[in-house]
Amino acid sequence: AAGVIQSPRHLIKEKRETATLKCYPIPRHDTVYWYQQGPGQDPQFLISFYEKMQSDKGSIPDRFSAQQFSDYHSELNMSSLELGDSALYFCASSLGRGPGELFFGEGSRLTVL
Amino acid sequence: GQQVMQIPQYQHVQEGEDFTTYCNSSTTLSNIQWYKQRPGGHPVFLIQLVKSGEVKKQKRLTFQFGEAKKNSSLHITATQTTDVGTYFCAGPGGSSNTGKLIFGQGTTLQVKP
Repeated sequence: AAGVIQSPRHLIKEKRETATLKCYPIPRHDTVYWYQQGPGQDPQFLISFYEKMQSDKGSIPDRFSAQQFSDYHSELNMSSLELGDSALYFCASSLGRGPGELFFGEGSRLTVL
Repeated sequence: GQQVMQIPQYQHVQEGEDFTTYCNSSTTLSNIQWYKQRPGGHPVFLIQLVKSGEVKKQKRLTFQFGEAKKNSSLHITATQTTDVGTYFCAGPGGSSNTGKLIFGQGTTLQVKP
């Protein structure tokens, strides 16, 4: 069965650079969530989209932005990167806005040097 | 805001011993979900509990939702090395139904063979 696809899986950036993460949800899933997970920590909710509209916002820095496109894939744009942005970024998708299971991708590991 | 507290943070057991992790919310939850994250992996959905006092079993795993819908537990009987990982409980975030989940801090289980 198709899963949530995230790219790139790994990326290394310098401070103050920008990065873009992509997420392709499971086919027919209309809701996408972005989470940030630091080492040894729980996933922290950043932002979510339902039917291409932002549906909820969490602890996402102003330097970050995201959107969901007409094909339901989503991109997380991160600018002016800081050392503290180094983390695992997960995208998850679901059918509808819940409650229900979130299907997580394998994550994108960002390292900021 | 809503907080989901989970204890213990770590648990080391001998293979064959039982394991329990507990989750407590500061507010009443409409539902609670449990996820497992293997080392280096992504969160994988285990179960969702919705009803007050609900108990569900999956082979050696038993999940409970408290009568007041503010606490939950996951019990593993006779642990195996394949049970290694971090177990997270997660509740819906906020009053609006956007599907967003707030995760507990997780309990990391180590099993000695």
